[in-house]
Amino acid sequence: QQQVRQSPQSLTVWEGETAILNCSYEDSTFDYFPWYHQFPGESPALLIAIRPVSNKKEDGRFTIFFNKREKKFSLHIADSQPGDSATYFCAASEDYAQGLTFGLGTRVSVFP
Amino acid sequence: GALVYQYPRRTICKSGTSMRMECQAVGFQATSVAWYRQSPQKTFELIALSTVNSAIKYEQNFTQEKFPISHPNLSFSSMTVLNAYLEDRGLYLCGAREGISNERLFFGHGTKLSVL
Repeated sequence: QQQVRQSPQSLTVWEGETAILNCSYEDSTFDYFPWYHQFPGESPALLIAIRPVSNKKEDGRFTIFFNKREKKFSLHIADSQPGDSATYFCAASEDYAQGLTFGLGTRVSVFP
Repeated sequence: GALVYQYPRRTICKSGTSMRMECQAVGFQATSVAWYRQSPQKTFELIALSTVNSAIKYEQNFTQEKFPISHPNLSFSSMTVLNAYLEDRGLYLCGAREGISNERLFFGHGTKLSVL
């Protein structure tokens, strides 16, 4: 059973558009929700993370929206750039110091 | 800057043999190290979490008998895949965290294991 579900599997947007990636989770004890991105040939790197005390976290063009009641969170990439093309993984854990449960990933392609 | 090196990058082993992989934190002291596996067509599965001054915690479906881990100091961790079979193939990632309050997990490039 996939504890963290991610969609879509792949996403294509034009430069300047907003890419929206979605995740949902099952475990109510999850309290930390990061997004990692991975460029081809590279290791995953932390992009942005949120805790349920907030329902929104912004960092530049990247925003996480969090809905605790529905156990859903999403990543919005505003003004998408070709350099944003990568695979994005959502994840969850009980605490940032604990191991992460990852989603299956979304491959984002941004065309100029 | 903080870096995590994994060795080897790629390895092939015969079915039933064992393979040891290493993870080294450079430029920081890793207070915890997590090992993940990405199998073909799957996401990253947590194998085990090793935290300084705590016992190594294995996730369901992964055991110490199959994936023994050594974490002798704050910079180095190694994991062995014992009696590797086809289902063990995949990319093994090591993620290291610096400090107690730092949420950022630094990943190495992984060790890609193929089993013949």
